Amino acid sequence: VQLVESGGGLLQPGGSLRLSCEASGYSFRDYDMNWVRQAPGKGLEWVSYISSSGSTLYYADSVKGRFTISRDNAKDSLFLQMNSLRAEDTAVYYCARLRRRHFDFWGQGTLVTVSS
Amino acid sequence: SYELTQPPSVSVSPGQTASLTCFGDRLGEKSSSWYQQKPGQSPLLVIYQDTRRPSGIPERFAGSNSGNTATLTISGTQAMDEADYYCQAWDSSTAVFGGGTKLTVL
Repeated sequence: VQLVESGGGLLQPGGSLRLSCEASGYSFRDYDMNWVRQAPGKGLEWVSYISSSGSTLYYADSVKGRFTISRDNAKDSLFLQMNSLRAEDTAVYYCARLRRRHFDFWGQGTLVTVSS
Repeated sequence: SYELTQPPSVSVSPGQTASLTCFGDRLGEKSSSWYQQKPGQSPLLVIYQDTRRPSGIPERFAGSNSGNTATLTISGTQAMDEADYYCQAWDSSTAVFGGGTKLTVL
């Protein structure tokens, strides 16, 4: 199992960014997926969930209305569209596979920095 | 909103047993998981479904969950176990992480 995130970068408050996570080594379409973030020097914060089919979506209150999770099962890829970014969104963003109620595999993360 | 509370730090001597706790309302009624994170690395699952160890995780890692407390116990702690440890559970449609415990082996 391998999860590889990409798309992070430096941008100004109010900007937008789309993160990607490419999965390999397993049947991507069979697993629910999540985004989890970690601000510099801080703990883990769950961001969003998407079911295996993409039909069910959940978001943390801190990103609801600004972030959109999606997936392309034909391309084994997970996405996070982030709009109206704030300084407090600065973090390493991990994609994580969900198995039942636990996150069994994590990517290496991609850093998003929001600063003027 | 649901919260999981962990002590910020725990210290243990090499070879001794470390007990890391995680407090949450009726946590024992939920499925708890534990993750180890070393500096510069991604989190690694070490305990799931309260007591189960993923393949490759040493037997010295054990978990329990009852009442309001989940506990990660590391027996015969080694220097390589020094890391941040996070508990996690789901509250309805929200995943919740504890604030993390920094385990120091000295």
